Amino acid sequence: VHLVESGGALVQPGGSLRLSCEASGFTFGSYWMHWVRQAPGKGLVWVSRIKNDGSGASYADSVKGRFTISRDNAKNTLYLQMNSLRVEDSAVYFCARDLALYCTPTSCYQLLAFDIWGRGTLVTVSS
Amino acid sequence: QSALTQPPSASGSPGQSVTISCTGASSDIGGSNYVSWYQQHPGKAPKLIIYEVSKRPSGVSDRFSGSKSGNAASLTVSGLQTEDEAEYYCNSFSGSNTWVFGGGTKLTVL
Repeated sequence: VHLVESGGALVQPGGSLRLSCEASGFTFGSYWMHWVRQAPGKGLVWVSRIKNDGSGASYADSVKGRFTISRDNAKNTLYLQMNSLRVEDSAVYFCARDLALYCTPTSCYQLLAFDIWGRGTLVTVSS
Repeated sequence: QSALTQPPSASGSPGQSVTISCTGASSDIGGSNYVSWYQQHPGKAPKLIIYEVSKRPSGVSDRFSGSKSGNAASLTVSGLQTEDEAEYYCNSFSGSNTWVFGGGTKLTVL
């Protein structure tokens, strides 16, 4: 079971970036997925969640209206489109799987915790 | 979406027990049984150690235990070992389909 993030880069304030998270080793299309970020030397901050079928996107107030979470279950990939980036968005961005009590072929009974994490991808917003 | 409150640091000697608190509100911890805890070593991804307040994922040592009372949750690490030295974060499901983390507690094993 693996999650691998990519797409992090140095970008200027006001710019855009799209992060990807490729999943393997589990039935990606059955699980809710999240993005969590961590600024250098700081704590974890939940960013966004998407349900298994691509519905139910939710966001932290700090990114609402600027970030968009999406997924392509055929490609086993989660995305985070980040627009109007600010200096305070600089962080390592982790994707994480929502823990499941059990799963059917199409969905899981989610337990609202984060059981599998990627290693993260670094986003730096600076002029 | 205010962060949950954790003490910045905690410490204990090998073999001792230490408890880390996490204080929230009725909109998060107080209103949810979906409280979880994470261990993070420097430069590593977080690891889930407690979910649904007090349950341990498979493979997590039973030296880790969790509880909740009102708007506060706590993590107890018993029989401290040197490898327990890490940052610990609490998390709670909150209103409007959002989640909130605590600020983190650095646990030092003396």
